[in-house]
Amino acid sequence: DVKVTQSSRYLVKRTGEKVFLECVQDMDHENMFWYRQDPGLGLRLIYFSYDVKMKEKGDIPEGYSVSREKKERFSLILESASTNQTSMYLCASGPRGNQPQHFGDGTRLSIL
Amino acid sequence: SQQGEEDPQALSIQEGENATMNCSYKTSINNLQWYRQNSGRGLVHLILIRSNEREKHSGRLRVTLDTSKKSSSLLITASRAAGTASYFCATVPNYGGATNKLIFGTGTLLAVQP
Repeated sequence: DVKVTQSSRYLVKRTGEKVFLECVQDMDHENMFWYRQDPGLGLRLIYFSYDVKMKEKGDIPEGYSVSREKKERFSLILESASTNQTSMYLCASGPRGNQPQHFGDGTRLSIL
Repeated sequence: SQQGEEDPQALSIQEGENATMNCSYKTSINNLQWYRQNSGRGLVHLILIRSNEREKHSGRLRVTLDTSKKSSSLLITASRAAGTASYFCATVPNYGGATNKLIFGTGTLLAVQP
């Protein structure tokens, strides 16, 4: 079975901090994705990567950056955390082509 | 926003009953997928239907797709209490290339009462 592992289930940080969310997948997938999920808004794509060192902005990239130095690992970075970034963050991976994505269990991030 | 919409937003049924939820989307698609999310967990893929298909079955799931109306429905037959979850549709637009970029709907919260 595909496994997508997110480093933390719950995380509490303070405004202005630099926050790193880590995601690792074990299926050699080319594509990896970061979403945030908020009540009533569904999932919104922040960034995605289709290869090592390659990245593209999703629908809501402002305030975020990403890093993909190795194929299996995709990191989401909040450069200077703000309270409006309190949310559930979901990482996903998928093979090339129009195939389903596999999700991690999410990180519930609170910015105080 | 390109985001799809789902209807109803919430649905409560008794165990053994059928549950139907609908999804509308805005762009031309390559395929449409349905996912389930248990409370506090990640999403799990349920079924994928391609743009040239009209109906697909998987176990107790039946999905239909009407590309002329840009809509899809998910039918879960003989629902079980363990089926209590949020259900999301997601589309792969035709312009997405090989990146498998998904556009999600807002979800239907299904409660199955034992």
